[in-house]
Amino acid sequence: DAMVIQNPRYQVTQFGKPVTLSCSQTLNHNVMYWYQQKSSQAPKLLFHYYDKDFNNEADTPDNFQSRRPNTSFCFLDIRSPGLGDAAMYLCATSTMGLAAPNEQFFGPGTRLTVL
Amino acid sequence: GQSLEQPSEVTAVEGAIVQINCTYQTSGFYGLSWYQQHDGGAPTFLSYNALDGLEETGRFSSFLSRSDSYGYLLLQELQMKDSASYFCAVRDEKNTGFQKLVFGTGTRLLVSP
Repeated sequence: DAMVIQNPRYQVTQFGKPVTLSCSQTLNHNVMYWYQQKSSQAPKLLFHYYDKDFNNEADTPDNFQSRRPNTSFCFLDIRSPGLGDAAMYLCATSTMGLAAPNEQFFGPGTRLTVL
Repeated sequence: GQSLEQPSEVTAVEGAIVQINCTYQTSGFYGLSWYQQHDGGAPTFLSYNALDGLEETGRFSSFLSRSDSYGYLLLQELQMKDSASYFCAVRDEKNTGFQKLVFGTGTRLLVSP
């Protein structure tokens, strides 16, 4: 089945220790997104790629970076995680031409714990 | 910018019907969507309304009134598995080339036996 895969599902890191989260997709969608979601809150968009074009949200901290080496993979790098970065990180994809233009396909998420 | 307001929590019993409201403020409008998210899970797309009226998909229906900047999600024949958070979402009017979404505050639905 076509899907969005995130690894690992659970990640524990130490305060200040760089961490990378990964996302892959078999949907061949040209847009990939990274969201941060904290408990009982809505997903908050960090950045997205439209093909190779990177788009950063204005309020995304510099501590967060992303890479998309090819259509299928996208990475979220947190350079110096702080306690406030503990959250669920969701990867999503979408493409033009969908019957429902607002439809995004989400991965299962990576829950990040910062000690 | 945009803002979307939802009730924080709704409770209901199995078999009942529940309505989750969403009011939005946007300077442009490109459709209203609904997503379901179970605890610890990923959001999954439920429905999309671009025009006024009711869209039905099985036990779930979604309604939109553009003149009132209002929509709702209607869940019928509630089941325990419907206990989840529900988010409405609109597309950011600054970006028309792809589906950058702004999510509402979310409504937690608790279904009891």
